[in-house]
Amino acid sequence: GQSLEQPSEVTAVEGAIVQINCTYQTSGFYGLSWYQQHDGGAPTFLSYNALDGLEETGRFSSFLSRSDSYGYLLLQELQMKDSASYFCAGMNRDDKIIFGKGTRLHILP
Amino acid sequence: NAGVTQTPKFRILKIGQSMTLQCTQDMNHNYMYWYRQDPGMGLKLIYYSVGAGITDKGEVPNGYNVSRSTTEDFPLRLELAAPSQTSVYFCASSPTGGSSYEQYFGPGTRLTVT
Repeated sequence: GQSLEQPSEVTAVEGAIVQINCTYQTSGFYGLSWYQQHDGGAPTFLSYNALDGLEETGRFSSFLSRSDSYGYLLLQELQMKDSASYFCAGMNRDDKIIFGKGTRLHILP
Repeated sequence: NAGVTQTPKFRILKIGQSMTLQCTQDMNHNYMYWYRQDPGMGLKLIYYSVGAGITDKGEVPNGYNVSRSTTEDFPLRLELAAPSQTSVYFCASSPTGGSSYEQYFGPGTRLTVT
């Protein structure tokens, strides 16, 4: 089967750094995406890793290791507005995207 | 550009009723998707389309139908609504399904079946 596993919740302090992990059990996934979703809102795209390594976009970075079937999203200089759910998603070779169940990020002042 | 628009925003259906969720995008994207999101869960793909006239099933297609007669529109049809179809439905589009993986989501339709 195809699935992506993420922690259900993570808590961090404003101004700190937090890492949200995503592991996947499948064959044929290529690329890992990350989406942010605020309560009551729609998912918005954050980043995509096609190759192994780190991709940086401002305060957010994403990492992929295809040999380990593992990726993470790193959020730096946390702000209260970063409180949201974060989803990893993989695209399989049939062009179908599979989403993880999401990680709820709580930020403490 | 309006991006991806969905109507209605909210709907309550009785068991056995039918309805169509509308989705339109004005970005000339080839790929369009329908997802459902149950409370506290991730998104599950219902149907997707790689271009006008072409549709395919996702993870959870049972109880739904789609059509794609134009590039812009991708309506989702619910026949014989059931309580298990209570969910938030998101439509999304992307330029391609290959090298570009950024999907643009509509605001969602919150559907309750009672």
